[in-house]
Amino acid sequence: DAKTTQPPSMDCAEGRAANLPCNHSTISGNEYVYWYRQIHSQGPQYIIHGLKNNETNEMASLIITEDRKSSTLILPHATLRDTAVYYCIVRVGGNQFYFGTGTSLTVIP
Amino acid sequence: GAVVSQHPSRVICKSGTSVKIECRSLDFQATTMFWYRQFPKQSLMLMATSNEGSKATYEQGVEKDKFLINHASLTLSTLTVTSAHPEDSSFYICSAVMGLGSYEQYFGPGTRLTVT
Repeated sequence: DAKTTQPPSMDCAEGRAANLPCNHSTISGNEYVYWYRQIHSQGPQYIIHGLKNNETNEMASLIITEDRKSSTLILPHATLRDTAVYYCIVRVGGNQFYFGTGTSLTVIP
Repeated sequence: GAVVSQHPSRVICKSGTSVKIECRSLDFQATTMFWYRQFPKQSLMLMATSNEGSKATYEQGVEKDKFLINHASLTLSTLTVTSAHPEDSSFYICSAVMGLGSYEQYFGPGTRLTVT
């Protein structure tokens, strides 16, 4: 079962930062947080992952709270092509991913 | 790098027939592959974990005799939907893990199955 909860939908103006929150209050000490996104009728695309430190790559930044019970994915300058469903996933011990309902992000021109 | 392909991308079959879906890691060896299904406007649901050379591990509620998984090599896993029925119509997606300390799953583009 998914260990994450996310808002069902969000809007963001093109060019602005998109901040997508995720709650994972039951996360265990050695479980990683992964973010993927899925554009309609395609396979999910890896974005970023982290354990407890903040992470940044060419796509996004991941901010994890100190107690690790929540995190935020930041897309620094959203474009129309960032419109997608974003999934926050906690990787459990057997390396399985249990997807939650995700956040449908719409970037508005 | 880390490309995963699926074949076919779309398939339509008649009720009662079987359909095989292939998942290939094109530029890496995958010790573990996963199979998911996704109904319209819903999230991905994990069906099974497939490890090369061993039997797949199925999630609770997934019929192993209906969804046959074979992971015969480090670059190929297959999912066969046996005696398909209209309720099996769905988007089937596979993913592969590169291993060697990396646990990101790289997803295929998915296969749209329609059973008539």
